[in-house]
Amino acid sequence: DQQVKQNSPSLSVQEGRISILNCDYTNSMFDYFLWYKKYPAEGPTFLISISSIKDKNEDGRFTVFLNKSAKHLSLHIVPSQPGDSAVYFCAASDNFNKFYFGSGTKLNVKP
Amino acid sequence: KAGVTQTPRYLIKTRGQQVTLSCSPISGHRSVSWYQQTPGQGLQFLFEYFSETQRNKGNFPGRFSGRQFSNSRSEMNVSTLELGDSALYLCASSLVVGNSPLHFGNGTRLTVT
Repeated sequence: DQQVKQNSPSLSVQEGRISILNCDYTNSMFDYFLWYKKYPAEGPTFLISISSIKDKNEDGRFTVFLNKSAKHLSLHIVPSQPGDSAVYFCAASDNFNKFYFGSGTKLNVKP
Repeated sequence: KAGVTQTPRYLIKTRGQQVTLSCSPISGHRSVSWYQQTPGQGLQFLFEYFSETQRNKGNFPGRFSGRQFSNSRSEMNVSTLELGDSALYLCASSLVVGNSPLHFGNGTRLTVT
C-alpha cells in the first residue's frame, strides 16, 4: 500500500520558470516531510524538509508547502535551472525513523 | 565530514548465491537504514538499525537480513538470490535527534543473473 504518492512521473519546465512538484500522502500520523533530489548513479541528496507544525519552509530557490488537511506536499523551485534536472522524491516519516518514499518525479529543465 | 560510504558499488551474482553489502555511516550518526530501489519504484524500506539493534523492518522476506556493529557500520545480507532482487541498494544514516533527515550513500547496484 503506497502511503506516499507522486502522481506525475515527469515534468518539463523552461529555464527561469517555476517548477512545482507534488506529493500526496494518506497517513495522518506522518509529521515530518522531506524532498530529495537524485542524479543517475548517485544516492538521493537531501534538499529540504518541513515538520507538521509548519505549512511552509524556504531554503534559497526551494520552498516546500504542506497542506495537512489535504494531505498534500509540494516543492517549488524558482527560478529553475538546467542543473535542477534530476529525479525528485518526496518522503514522509511517522517519527519512528521509518521513512516512506514516493515513486519520484523526473524533472527536466530546458535551457 | 565524510559522507555515507557503501561498498561495493557494483555486484553481479547468479541466482541462488548470497551477497553481503557494506555501509559506513557519517561519523556520529548512530542510525543506519537500508532501502531498495527498483526501476519505476520509489525507495522501499528494508530495515533500520540503531545501537546494534534492529528497530524497524519493512515488508521483505527473511532472505534479507542485516546487522550493525558497535562502530555503527552496517552490513546487509541477501541469501538465495532471485532475479527480482536486482536493484540499487541504498544505505542511509541519520542523527535521530528530533526530526533528522536521512543522508544516503551512492548505493550498491546488484545484478542477479
